[in-house]
Amino acid sequence: DAEITQSPRHKITETGRQVTLACHQTWNHNNMFWYRQDLGHGLRLIHYSYGVQDTNKGEVSDGYSVSRSNTEDLPLTLESAASSQTSVYFCASSESNGGYNEQFFGPGTRLTVL
Amino acid sequence: ILNVEQSPQSLHVQEGDSTNFTCSFPSSNFYALHWYRWETAKSPEALFVMTLNGDEKKKGRISATLNTKEGYSYLYIKGSQPEDSATYLCASWWDTGGFKTIFGAGTRLFVKA
Repeated sequence: DAEITQSPRHKITETGRQVTLACHQTWNHNNMFWYRQDLGHGLRLIHYSYGVQDTNKGEVSDGYSVSRSNTEDLPLTLESAASSQTSVYFCASSESNGGYNEQFFGPGTRLTVL
Repeated sequence: ILNVEQSPQSLHVQEGDSTNFTCSFPSSNFYALHWYRWETAKSPEALFVMTLNGDEKKKGRISATLNTKEGYSYLYIKGSQPEDSATYLCASWWDTGGFKTIFGAGTRLFVKA
């Protein structure tokens, strides 16, 4: 069965370190998204991609970067981790642009920055 | 400024009660609206994707309506069951020369047996 996975599921790191969170989907979806879950805000979009070599900034992109070298993967990098980036991160994918298709979410990665 | 508002923030009902939540969004350049159900310790799962004014969707005891002219959507749950306890999220999409999506903060539903 097709799925979307995230790794690691839990990560503790120190302020200033670079961290990469992995997202891998086997749906063959062109669209992939990274969100962070914050209390009182629901899910906030960090970065998204509509295909290989395409990346776009979301509403809370500062301090994060992504790259899309193939259809299956969209890794999220925190360039220099800050305590404000402690959160639960969700990756999602969908079939088409523009919201005509539902997003499928991964299980989430809980990141703690000390 | 694009923003999505959901109300109420939380709701406590008894088993068997029917309930409804609201999702409000700017209607200009609206493209689509998603409803998701999010259980604790799990990932959000899609309930409905809605795109047309007057669109109505139904899945079992859950239904949704959409008014794109005034910028709101209602989610209804008929005869709430304890297993309906979850956070219900809506996400609006707009076409502003490129597609943009924002999630609301969610409505947390508690159904007491």
